[in-house]
Amino acid sequence: KQEVTQIPAALSVPEGENLVLNCSFTDSAIYNLQWFRQDPGKGLTSLLLIQSSQREQTSGRLNASLDKSSGRSTLYIAASQPGDSATYLCAVSSDNAGNMLTFGGGTRLMVKP
Amino acid sequence: DAGITQSPRHKVTETGTPVTLRCHQTENHRYMYWYRQDPGHGLRLIHYSYGVKDTDKGEVSDGYSVSRSKTEDFLLTLESATSSQTSVYFCAISVSQGGAEAFFGQGTRLTVV
Repeated sequence: KQEVTQIPAALSVPEGENLVLNCSFTDSAIYNLQWFRQDPGKGLTSLLLIQSSQREQTSGRLNASLDKSSGRSTLYIAASQPGDSATYLCAVSSDNAGNMLTFGGGTRLMVKP
Repeated sequence: DAGITQSPRHKVTETGTPVTLRCHQTENHRYMYWYRQDPGHGLRLIHYSYGVKDTDKGEVSDGYSVSRSKTEDFLLTLESATSSQTSVYFCAISVSQGGAEAFFGQGTRLTVV
């Protein structure tokens, strides 16, 4: 059974810092990995999708990498801003689990002005 | 925002009553999913649909049923609500299986008293 872990569970940084969020998964047989942002009381917003054949994806200040063989992904946020404060979730789509997305527990990020 | 509308957005119901949650999409995507989000458990798949009248169980399907009579609508029914079904329910859509980006609705907060 696929398991996804996110470290750290919570992170507080001053504005302007570059930061890295980590995601690991136990079964490397994945279709893709997706990073989401969730604001309190809101739905999930898709940030980046990395296909299993890709190594990284970039969108603005966000860069996500994927090392499928080692079961790891990182989300890099450059020059963090208070508006980046949210919970960040990673999820993998596994080819042995049909269409199911398996989610990590999330990293709750607070960026202080 | 992906064209996904969940209704109702909030509901309080009594133990033992039936409850139906609705997910409506305007994207004409083939795949639709219902997840629940709980503290300590993250997001878990309840049921999903891969076409009109085609549905399958997810990780936590006990106590839930679904129906999809039109491409745009996916209904989740709690036949007899229990307190353990108090949760936030999210609908998601994707254009295809494995490898396709998933988009989420804003969620329905259900409280069973």
